[in-house]
Amino acid sequence: EAGVVQSPRYKIIEKKQPVAFWCNPISGHNTLYWYLQNLGQGPELLIRYENEEAVDDSQLPKDRFSAERLKGVDSTLKIQPAELGDSAVYLCASSVGLAGGRETQYFGPGTRLLVL
Amino acid sequence: EDQVTQSPEALRLQEGESSSLNCSYTVSGLRGLFWYRQDPGKGPEFLFTLYSAGEEKEKERLKATLTKKESFLHITAPKPEDSATYLCAVQPRGANNLFFGTGTRLTVIP
Repeated sequence: EAGVVQSPRYKIIEKKQPVAFWCNPISGHNTLYWYLQNLGQGPELLIRYENEEAVDDSQLPKDRFSAERLKGVDSTLKIQPAELGDSAVYLCASSVGLAGGRETQYFGPGTRLLVL
Repeated sequence: EDQVTQSPEALRLQEGESSSLNCSYTVSGLRGLFWYRQDPGKGPEFLFTLYSAGEEKEKERLKATLTKKESFLHITAPKPEDSATYLCAVQPRGANNLFFGTGTRLTVIP
């Protein structure tokens, strides 16, 4: 069974440029998460989707970050414009989406972003 | 406020030298505690979920235990391939989100 797929794996851009990351979750997983991981830190949640609906985006910097999950399958996270401090690893995770929420999140390999 | 603290930050072991990693947590009701392994340049890989105090789970050389305030990841007779960062995360009751610690970077020397 294929795991969570993310692309690109690496991205180098200049500040003020836009950038987009794509994620395809494990087949059949209804819940999708985007996390930010800075060097030497644990992942921090940016946004969580239940099917097409963003149910928790309280940590998403909405002035420059946006996300969508059309048709409730794959998802795109966008930054516009990028700032130097956005350099980090952007992780996507998915879970089945069981009622009660007691479930495991499976992570993709991440997209490593460097903003120059 | 939900908080997860992992110690030590880094640990160097000789091959075969058993040890334990600690994860202390403060959470308003625990739904689950998760352990992940993360290799350089990769995403976190799921290891264990623990749900209640006294619960234990094992996988190969790893054993995870849970109390009301902390979890331990015991590594028995580690091998160099066990070298990685081990992340602990808690899921508060009533939430789907995970709150991660900063991890323990384990290096096993041949």
